[in-house]
Amino acid sequence: ELKVEQNPLFLSMQERKNYTIYCNYSTTSDRLYWYRQDPGKSLESLFVLLSNGAVKQEGRLMASLDTKARLSTLHITAAVHDLSATYFCATIRRDNNDMRFGAGTRLTVKP
Amino acid sequence: DTGVSQDPRHKITKRGQNVTFRCDPISEHNRLYWYRQTLGQGPEFLTYFQNEAQLEKSRLLSDRFSAERPKGSFSTLEIQRTEQGDSAMYLCASRPQGVDSPLHFGNGTRLTVT
Repeated sequence: ELKVEQNPLFLSMQERKNYTIYCNYSTTSDRLYWYRQDPGKSLESLFVLLSNGAVKQEGRLMASLDTKARLSTLHITAAVHDLSATYFCATIRRDNNDMRFGAGTRLTVKP
Repeated sequence: DTGVSQDPRHKITKRGQNVTFRCDPISEHNRLYWYRQTLGQGPEFLTYFQNEAQLEKSRLLSDRFSAERPKGSFSTLEIQRTEQGDSAMYLCASRPQGVDSPLHFGNGTRLTVT
């Protein structure tokens, strides 16, 4: 069964600091997705990573994928308060279509 | 593109009652998903449709749960004989044909079973 694990589950950061969220998955997949969820809202797609070595960046967020290690990272550079949210990674097995999510990392950026 | 629409936004029901939720996906999206999310957890996959065909169904989905997508457009999720453990946010998502596209989520239906 496809499992997706994120760590840390909770992250309290100070503004202007850097940090990395890790996402491990259990079976072969070369598609990895990152989503953001604000409190009381639904999920919004951030990044789609489609091959080994893929790197995507938007603003202070950068995501990468290592399919051999079955690992994706979401790096936050110089955090600001409006990045506070819960971040989910998700992946799909090649032989079916159900997208499985990690438990999420709840990020709080403090002044 | 009006986004994925779910109705109702909130539903409060008594244990043992039946409830039905509706999802209208983005019109050109042929793939539709239902997830359940409880507080502090990630979305749990429930079921998946490609057009009108239900192709995947989670073992989490007991026989009290049923989903349909007649004509491959909107979908309904019905829960019969609700239990308190069914209280959760029920999320619908859609994506177009093409293996790589992300899911587009609706705002969800929050179910409270008293």
